[in-house]
Amino acid sequence: QQQVKQSPQSLIVQKGGISIINCAYENTAFDYFPWYQQFPGKGPALLIAIRPDVSEKKEGRFTISFNKSAKQFSLHIMDSQPGDSATYFCAVSPRSGGYQKVTFGIGTKLQVIP
Amino acid sequence: KAGVTQTPRYLIKTRGQQVTLSCSPISGHRSVSWYQQTPGQGLQFLFEYFSETQRNKGNFPGRFSGRQFSNSRSEMNVSTLELGDSALYLCASSLGGGGNQPQHFGDGTRLSIL
Repeated sequence: QQQVKQSPQSLIVQKGGISIINCAYENTAFDYFPWYQQFPGKGPALLIAIRPDVSEKKEGRFTISFNKSAKQFSLHIMDSQPGDSATYFCAVSPRSGGYQKVTFGIGTKLQVIP
Repeated sequence: KAGVTQTPRYLIKTRGQQVTLSCSPISGHRSVSWYQQTPGQGLQFLFEYFSETQRNKGNFPGRFSGRQFSNSRSEMNVSTLELGDSALYLCASSLGGGGNQPQHFGDGTRLSIL
């Protein structure tokens, strides 16, 4: 079953605009919510992550908003730049069970046009 | 500090053959996870190894197997290759100890099945 639903699958934003990507999950046992950024020909790289005890985390132009009751979280990219053009994946991970089991969203291909 | 290294970067095989992919994690990382990435399915978890033991496994057939060596390097093997196995195979390492550890990805091995 699809444990995390990500939308939209593609997004075009003008330079300087705000890019917003949303994810929804079903299992309340998740407690680690990372976002990864992937450029063509490269592996995904951790961008920013949040735990459910906070509602927002900001790092530079990137912000995660987390709504525990709605089981949703989103990535906001402020002042989007052409260099931000990449595929973004949200992910969920269960409470520590002594192992890695990260489930990824389907990905959002972001294009920032000048 | 060197990142995660995957070899080879590209591989072309024919149906029915088998293939072995290699992953060298970041020094000090004891957990290695493998993922299959395809355009339609996104990133799908294959398995995770920690201290030479498989800790977790995704929903893939038994043709997909792996192992980890005492130096934490890992190999993934796919036997009796099928056309649908064409994908980017990604390896990720983390310090280990639980599902909330950030994962560091290699740039993948692009496997094409003819």
